[in-house]
Amino acid sequence: DIQMTQSPSTLSASLGDRVTITCRASQSISSWLAWYQHKPGKAPKLLIYRASTLESGVPSRFSGSGSGTEFTLTISSLQPDDFATYYCQHFSSYPWTFGQGTKVEIK
Amino acid sequence: QVQLQESGPGLVKPSETLSLTCSVSGGSINSSSYYWGWIRQPPGKGLEWIGSIYYNGRTYHNPSLKSRVAFFVDKSKNQISLNLRSVTATDTAVFYCARANHDILTGSEAFDIWGQGTLVIVSS
Repeated sequence: DIQMTQSPSTLSASLGDRVTITCRASQSISSWLAWYQHKPGKAPKLLIYRASTLESGVPSRFSGSGSGTEFTLTISSLQPDDFATYYCQHFSSYPWTFGQGTKVEIK
Repeated sequence: QVQLQESGPGLVKPSETLSLTCSVSGGSINSSSYYWGWIRQPPGKGLEWIGSIYYNGRTYHNPSLKSRVAFFVDKSKNQISLNLRSVTATDTAVFYCARANHDILTGSEAFDIWGQGTLVIVSS
């Protein structure tokens, strides 16, 4: 099974900050990676798929990059609505494993 | 607009079977374009993929749960279902159903539509 490791686990940032979250795969997954935003009591929301393709309706301050084993999710200017937990998930092979999550908190 | 809604008992006794249903509206589950998945989140923990089912009944499971989990498709009701046998307190979680696109040549890319989730507590 492919393991997904996110870093950091928690991130404290201020409004307007540029934020970067890293997701590493235990073996190459090409570009078969998705990123989600999850808020308490709500359904996870798809942000990015195929490592770098922005889902329709997602603000352009979100971007994804990477291929192979290392990927990043960047928020160019942190907004109040962005404080949440972010997860990566690979779709390279079964099982479709999630990373453990990165919680973005207010500094 | 496709919407997913999970339903089932909120409380299950240890050793019993947890059964959940996901009702799909605004679109048909009888499509080769999608896989339908189950994901759970235990309290205070992250998301865990439980498994996915295709419209023709083909299924994939998380190896950690494979021996206890079963999925079903009911095309007449436009629903998918999950059975998790022999539950313990560690199975307490919010359970989500979700839709993943699927291309026969390239595979799936993401869960793009999710239900709101349903909390299931395992307790006597």
